[in-house]
Amino acid sequence: DIVMTQSPDSLAVSLGERATINCKSSQSVLYSSKNKNYLAWYQQKSGQPPKLLIFWASTRESGVPDRFSGSGSGTDFTLTISSLQAEDVAVYYCQQYYFTPYTFGQGTKLEIK
Amino acid sequence: EVQLVESGGVVVQPGGSLRLSCAASGFTLDDYTMHWVRQPPGKSLEWVSLITRYGSSTYYADSVKGRFIISRDNSKNSLHLQMNSLTTEDTALYYCARDAGFGSSWYGYMDVWGKGTTVSVSS
Repeated sequence: DIVMTQSPDSLAVSLGERATINCKSSQSVLYSSKNKNYLAWYQQKSGQPPKLLIFWASTRESGVPDRFSGSGSGTDFTLTISSLQAEDVAVYYCQQYYFTPYTFGQGTKLEIK
Repeated sequence: EVQLVESGGVVVQPGGSLRLSCAASGFTLDDYTMHWVRQPPGKSLEWVSLITRYGSSTYYADSVKGRFIISRDNSKNSLHLQMNSLTTEDTALYYCARDAGFGSSWYGYMDVWGKGTTVSVSS
């Protein structure tokens, strides 16, 4: 199974500042022939189901604010929130869908400093 | 409005069985591969199973293989998860989720999620 490891486990950032969350996979999730990274990011607010933010490592889901961006390739990925808003308080998860079993990171809890 | 609504979660004793259901609305169910994902209290997400559009292929996490069976009834816009030989490790909020791929291929990431149904395995 591919193990997904996020860092940090928790993060406190001031409003308007940048938040960066990292995700590392135990093996590459880059499908070379398609030049696609099989990596998604989700946001889960308290008491709510996960919400898809980013797929193919860097493609923003429709309706997601452009302050959210994804980057990286192979085994190392980053979710960046360029200017933190109060409504961004949540737990963020990365997920690989390169092959089953699909696996998620342990989550990163983002709070306001 | 695209919506998934799970039901069937209850408190059950270890060794017991349970059948979860997921009602889909606002889209044509047989256009999509569907997933079950679970989340133990205070923990991360765990992918459980997927079923392709017409049920021809199913996949399971090792932790549930041989105990859980995923199925679907497209005519009734419903997805199911039959859970047998339950243990305390199966205690979780169970989500039904739609694969983001449309038609004959699926991607493996999920673009629509239900609110979940809670399964508690306890004596």
